[in-house]
Amino acid sequence: DAMVIQNPRYQVTQFGKPVTLSCSQTLNHNVMYWYQQKSSQAPKLLFHYYDKDFNNEADTPDNFQSRRPNTSFCFLDIRSPGLGDAAMYLCATSRDRIGQPQHFGDGTRLSIL
Amino acid sequence: SQQGEEDPQALSIQEGENATMNCSYKTSINNLQWYRQNSGRGLVHLILIRSNEREKHSGRLRVTLDTSKKSSSLLITASRAADTASYFCAPFNTGFQKLVFGTGTRLLVSP
Repeated sequence: DAMVIQNPRYQVTQFGKPVTLSCSQTLNHNVMYWYQQKSSQAPKLLFHYYDKDFNNEADTPDNFQSRRPNTSFCFLDIRSPGLGDAAMYLCATSRDRIGQPQHFGDGTRLSIL
Repeated sequence: SQQGEEDPQALSIQEGENATMNCSYKTSINNLQWYRQNSGRGLVHLILIRSNEREKHSGRLRVTLDTSKKSSSLLITASRAADTASYFCAPFNTGFQKLVFGTGTRLLVSP
């Protein structure tokens, strides 16, 4: 089945130690999104790629970076995680940016020690 | 703001009852989407209603849209314990090119 896969499901890192979360898709969608979701809160868009074009949200901290080496893969890098970065990170895809439904992975829950 | 706001924040019902969730938004929209999120999982797209549509059905789901009031509702009929989840609305405007989710309605369906 075509899907969005996030690895790992759970990630534990130390305060200040860089961490990378990965997302892959078999839908061949043009757009890949990264959301941050804290407990009982709305998913908050961090940035998205439209093909190779990176689009950052204005309020996304510089500590968060992303890479999309090809259509299928997208990575979220947190350069120096702080305690406030503990959250669920969700990857999603859509065919285009004109309002089609988004397809989500099951997320990576990040804990900071 | 493009963000949708769901109401109520939490809803608890018995199996077999209907559940109604409401969404209000402030900007003009091209469509409005509803998503479900089970605990610890990603969001799942449920239904999309375009701005020129007033009602849409999908199985036990019924969505209405009133663009004059900038509001939408999601009705789940004959609810089941498996419907227990958080439900989010996401208005879409072509100008923003993104979805902005509200904090959702947490639905608990008890057997």
